[in-house]
Amino acid sequence: AAGVIQSPRHLIKEKRETATLKCYPIPRHDTVYWYQQGPGQDPQFLISFYEKMQSDKGSIPDRFSAQQFSDYHSELNMSSLELGDSALYFCASSPQRDTQYFGPGTRLTVL
Amino acid sequence: RKEVEQDPGPFNVPEGATVAFNCTYSNSASQSFFWYRQDCRKEPKLLMSVYSSGNEDGRFTAQLNRASQYISLLIRDSKLSDSATYLCVVNYNFNKFYFGSGTKLNVKP
Repeated sequence: AAGVIQSPRHLIKEKRETATLKCYPIPRHDTVYWYQQGPGQDPQFLISFYEKMQSDKGSIPDRFSAQQFSDYHSELNMSSLELGDSALYFCASSPQRDTQYFGPGTRLTVL
Repeated sequence: RKEVEQDPGPFNVPEGATVAFNCTYSNSASQSFFWYRQDCRKEPKLLMSVYSSGNEDGRFTAQLNRASQYISLLIRDSKLSDSATYLCVVNYNFNKFYFGSGTKLNVKP
């Protein structure tokens, strides 16, 4: 069965650089969620999209933005990266805002 | 106070043991409930959804108690491969999914 695809899987950036993370949901899933998970922490909700519109916002810094495109894939754009942004970033998709299925994550390291 | 509370553990149990985790949630309007399993540095994987009537999948049984606002996960005949962190997730108002901090399980030979 198709799963959520995230790219890249690993990313290394310098402080103050920008990064773009991509998420391709499971086919026919209309909702995408972004989470940030630091070491030893539970996933922290950043933002979600339902039918290409932002549906909810969590603890997403102003330096980050995201959108969902017409093909339902989503991108998380991160600017002015800080050391504290180093984390695992998960995307999850769900059909009609029901059960979430997670992608493998992007591991971002900011040096 | 977090929306979803879990005992972080770790629960250290021998192979073959039965172990149970509880998770409490604060919002009585919560609509759906899930248990996820997360291995170190991997994505959370759905273990099971939790229904009011309770549900079972092999060695795993989940229960929901709306009156007391908790859900439980019972694992019978623990295997070494069950060692992981178990995340309780509660869905409120469709958009909002609240995660517990996870309960760590170590199954030892």
